[in-house]
Amino acid sequence: DIQMTQSPSTLSASVGDRVTITCRASLHINMWVAWLQQKPGKAPKLLIYKASTLESGVPSRFSGSGSGTEFTLTISSLQPDDFATYYCQQYSSSVYTFGQGTKLEI
Amino acid sequence: QVQLQESGPGLVKPSQTLSLTCTVSGGSIDVGSSYWSWIRQPAGKTLEWIGRIYSSGITTYNPSLKSRVTISIDTSKNQFSLGLNSVTAADTAMYFCAREWRGGYGGKGIDSWGQGTLVIVSS
Repeated sequence: DIQMTQSPSTLSASVGDRVTITCRASLHINMWVAWLQQKPGKAPKLLIYKASTLESGVPSRFSGSGSGTEFTLTISSLQPDDFATYYCQQYSSSVYTFGQGTKLEI
Repeated sequence: QVQLQESGPGLVKPSQTLSLTCTVSGGSIDVGSSYWSWIRQPAGKTLEWIGRIYSSGITTYNPSLKSRVTISIDTSKNQFSLGLNSVTAADTAMYFCAREWRGGYGGKGIDSWGQGTLVIVSS
């Protein structure tokens, strides 16, 4: 399986901050990475796919970059609704795998 | 926008079979670019992809669970199902059904999720 190593595991920030989350793949996976947001008790929500394409309806303060093995999710100006857990996910292999998650907290 | 809803028992005894069904609404399950997946998440942990099925019945399973998993599809009911046999406490988790969208170049990966259903394995 392709391992996805996500960092940091916890990130403390404030409203208005710019934050970046990093994900590293154990193999070259081109651009086949998605970023998901999950709030407690809820299903994950797709934010970004193909490493940098914003899903319809997702605010433009979210952006993604990277290719190969290194990927980042950036939130340009944190809003109260953004405090959640974020996961990277690779879909290069037929067996999908997820990062360990980054909990974004105040 | 397609919607997915899981259903099934919330409590399963050890060594028995976990059975869940996902009902798809707002679109046909028999769409060329859609694959249908099961994913689970133990409390406080990350997500684990279990497997997928295409409308033709072709399946792909996570090797870590392959010997215990069966995913099936009923296009006439717009439903697909998960079976996981010989369950133990380690199978206690929130189970999600989801859609993988493979339209265009490369697709989106998993773009739609059910709300999830908690399954507890306990005697």
